[in-house]
Amino acid sequence: KNQVEQSPQSLIILEGKNCTLQCNYTVSPFSNLRWYKQDTGRGPVSLTIMTFSENTKSNGRYTATLDADTKQSSLHITASQLSDSASYICVVKNSPRAGNNRKLIWGLGTSLAVNP
Amino acid sequence: EAGVAQSPRYKIIEKRQSVAFWCNPISGHATLYWYQQILGQGPKLLIQFQNNGVVDDSQLPKDRFSAERLKGVDSTLKIQPAKLEDSAVYLCASSHQGREILVNEQFFGPGTRLTVL
Repeated sequence: KNQVEQSPQSLIILEGKNCTLQCNYTVSPFSNLRWYKQDTGRGPVSLTIMTFSENTKSNGRYTATLDADTKQSSLHITASQLSDSASYICVVKNSPRAGNNRKLIWGLGTSLAVNP
Repeated sequence: EAGVAQSPRYKIIEKRQSVAFWCNPISGHATLYWYQQILGQGPKLLIQFQNNGVVDDSQLPKDRFSAERLKGVDSTLKIQPAKLEDSAVYLCASSHQGREILVNEQFFGPGTRLTVL
């Protein structure tokens, strides 16, 4: 069964600290993995999209890693800011080889709170 | 570049009433998606349009939900009649390319928060 699991479910850190969010998936065949940031009351915003051949990708203070062999991804946030408080959602897309079953499989997200 | 527009932003109705949501995707985006996001969960795809044709509506409760994109641009999602469990945020997203493209980034609107009493 295609699944995406994220941990931790929620996280509280102090402003300026770093943190790492985890994503494990069982989606097969794999196409790409995305990290979205969703602020309260807003739609998700894409942070990174990584395909099978990419191991790491950065977007400012956000760095995503992907290990396609172990089917794990992480999102590392450096020098956190209050505005980083949001839900971070891992999404995996299966391959075009999946035919009519091609879809995005969404994780439940990690709720991050950055406190002053 | 203007983003995905949705209206209304908030709607409160009683169960068994009808409600409609509107979405205007980013100009030039052929693919449009409607998602339902229940509090504490990730978005669930309800329906995907490619221009004005339906690509995937496998998770759309067709007995009460309907959606259309008649001219391949704007779209409406309707619920009739609403149930308590329909309380959620309804997100509209659009993407530039169709289903044949490997990486197909979606841009989301702000959503419509529906409360069914």
